[in-house]
Amino acid sequence: QITLKESGRTLVKPTQTLTLTCTFSGFSLSTSGVGVGWIRQPPGKALEWLALIYWNDDKRYSPSLKIRLTITKDTSKNQVVLTMTDMDPVDTATYYCAAHVGYSGYALFDYWGQGTLVTVSS
Amino acid sequence: QSVLTQPPSVSGAPGQRVTISCTGSSSNIGAGYDVHWYQQLPVTAPKLLIYGNSNRPSGVPDRFSGSKSGTSASLAITGLQAEDEADYYCQSYDSSLSGWVFGGGTKLTVL
Repeated sequence: QITLKESGRTLVKPTQTLTLTCTFSGFSLSTSGVGVGWIRQPPGKALEWLALIYWNDDKRYSPSLKIRLTITKDTSKNQVVLTMTDMDPVDTATYYCAAHVGYSGYALFDYWGQGTLVTVSS
Repeated sequence: QSVLTQPPSVSGAPGQRVTISCTGSSSNIGAGYDVHWYQQLPVTAPKLLIYGNSNRPSGVPDRFSGSKSGTSASLAITGLQAEDEADYYCQSYDSSLSGWVFGGGTKLTVL
């Protein structure tokens, strides 16, 4: 059974750095083709892809947020960490961790965490 | 402003058929990248509904189907049921952005 769970501070102040951890089980991020990414969803709004890291440490970032984002992995701990600098109230959203495990050759997310609501407020 | 364009809302009565469109451009759907669809029930995480334009993951009812043509894709739901009331998102890959892109989402209301 594959599960993913997000953790981290749920309330951050403007200008602070957000650090979110995705802890997963049921698959390995050292398996060829596997990737773990982050997607966010502001309240009442659409999904927005942020970043993704592959099994081979290839990292991809949303161009509009690239300068603020860093994604890393710890394969031994089954964790992926996302940091986002200079947080602003507009960054208030539910942040999802999601994985691409199956469906080789497709750029999709077949497993999702439950999401964590991050509020940016002073 | 999402890269992929979806209608904000659609509705239908139980048993009816509805379709949801997803319009992209020459750098995503039109470039040959596959379209995937997700269903997001209220207060839950998205769930993969259709992959590779028209394929259903195991467990997804055959009432759900997808298609793609040119720079657009569509999700069709037949035999609408109350439990289908949810938000639906299309997703593809964009070569200009070198990343994953989502549609703005469509809220399906079952009347």
